[in-house]
Amino acid sequence: AQKITQTQPGMFVQEKEAVTLDCTYDTSDQSYGLFWYKQPSSGEMIFLIYQGSYDEQNATEGRYSLNFQKARKSANLVISASQLGDSAMYFCAMREASTGRRALTFGSGTRLQVQP
Amino acid sequence: DAGVIQSPRHEVTEMGQEVTLRCKPISGHDYLFWYRQTMMRGLELLIYFNNNVPIDDSGMPEDRFSAKMPNASFSTLKIQPSEPRDSAVYFCASSLGRTVAQYFGPGTRLTVT
Repeated sequence: AQKITQTQPGMFVQEKEAVTLDCTYDTSDQSYGLFWYKQPSSGEMIFLIYQGSYDEQNATEGRYSLNFQKARKSANLVISASQLGDSAMYFCAMREASTGRRALTFGSGTRLQVQP
Repeated sequence: DAGVIQSPRHEVTEMGQEVTLRCKPISGHDYLFWYRQTMMRGLELLIYFNNNVPIDDSGMPEDRFSAKMPNASFSTLKIQPSEPRDSAVYFCASSLGRTVAQYFGPGTRLTVT
C-alpha cells in the first residue's frame, strides 16, 4: 500500500493567488515526520518545510505553510501569494521515527504551474 | 556553505560498463543517503549510512549495485555491470543527526545505452 499519496498530478494557479497541494499518508507509527520538497526543472531537490507528528501547531516557513490534520492523516502544503518561480514539482515525504529508520518515503509528486 | 556535491552531473555509458557516482556530503553531517528517481518508480531510497557505516541497504536493487563511504566526506555508488534499466537520476543527500531535514545534491543523470 502506498504510504504517501499525492492525488493531484498537476495544478495550475494564477500568480499572487494561494494554492494548496494535497498529501495524505498512511502509518501506524505514533511518531513520524512529514516533509515537503520542491524540484524545479533544473532537477535539484529543495527542502521546504517539516512537520512532526507531535507538533501542536502547523509549520510555517515564509510563504509555505503545512496544513496538518492528524486525524485525517493529511499534510497539505499551502503556498501563499504564488510566484512564477514556484512552478515546479512538489513532493510530500514521510519518515517514520519509531523504527529509528532515517529514510524518507516520497509521494509521486504534484506539478505546479504558476500562470502570469 | 557548500551544499552536497555530486559528480559527475551527467553520465552516458554503454550497457555492461562500470559506473561510479560520487558524493561529498555537507561538512559535519553524519547521515548520507543515496536515492534514485525514475518516472516509473519515483524517488526511492537505495542505501543510507550513519557515521560511514551502512545502516539500511534494503533498497539496493541487486548485487550489481554497491556503495561505500570510506570517510565522512566521501561516498561512492557503483554499478557493475550497468544495464539500460539503471538509467535514472541518482541523488545523494545528507543530514545532521539531531536535525530532521535531508539536504540533496544536484543529482547525477545516468543514461545507459
